[in-house]
Amino acid sequence: AQKITQTQPGMFVQEKEAVTLDCTYDTSDPSYGLFWYKQPSSGEMIFLIYQGSYDQQNATEGRYSLNFQKARKSANLVISASQLGDSAMYFCAMRGSGYSTLTFGKGTMLLVSP
Amino acid sequence: EAQVTQNPRYLITVTGKKLTVTCSQNMNHEYMSWYRQDPGLGLRQIYYSMNVEVTDKGDVPEGYKVSRKEKRNFPLILESPSPNQTSLYFCASRAGGALETQYFGPGTRLLVL
Repeated sequence: AQKITQTQPGMFVQEKEAVTLDCTYDTSDPSYGLFWYKQPSSGEMIFLIYQGSYDQQNATEGRYSLNFQKARKSANLVISASQLGDSAMYFCAMRGSGYSTLTFGKGTMLLVSP
Repeated sequence: EAQVTQNPRYLITVTGKKLTVTCSQNMNHEYMSWYRQDPGLGLRQIYYSMNVEVTDKGDVPEGYKVSRKEKRNFPLILESPSPNQTSLYFCASRAGGALETQYFGPGTRLLVL
């Protein structure tokens, strides 16, 4: 079975500061992918960043980076220099190579203040 | 532009009136899925399709039907909607590799009265 845990229901951050959103996972699959999605209030699900379990380096995409610690089974999202437009719900998700389903965490609501 | 489209975006209907939510992708993806998102329950997979004419149940398939007659389209059918199917629905697609990124449509907000 696959499981994703996001322990932070909500986070507050000031504009231009960095913020880390936590994600831990559990799977017995040796090969898996970890994904982060952003869901603004308008509702769409926007793909942000991907990390493969065998990737040697942490993934980065612009202001987003993934702090991947395989031994701890954690895949935290780091957003540098927060912007007001970053206010949204953020979901961590995973899929093992033996699964068709993308398993999601419950999400973290991020609010960026001026 | 590579995208997944869904229609309608918003729908209000009454119990028992059959409806179809269409989904189309232009990325030539093999895999397509339907999810529903409910407060406190997160996103749950309803059905998925690995290719044309190949579909399988996800975690919450009861009350839904799907078909995959063409690679680009994957409609979701509610034969007799009930109020507990009020939800936000997402269609998604990805390429065939097991660890490929899944891309979501804009969502369909359904209210069943």
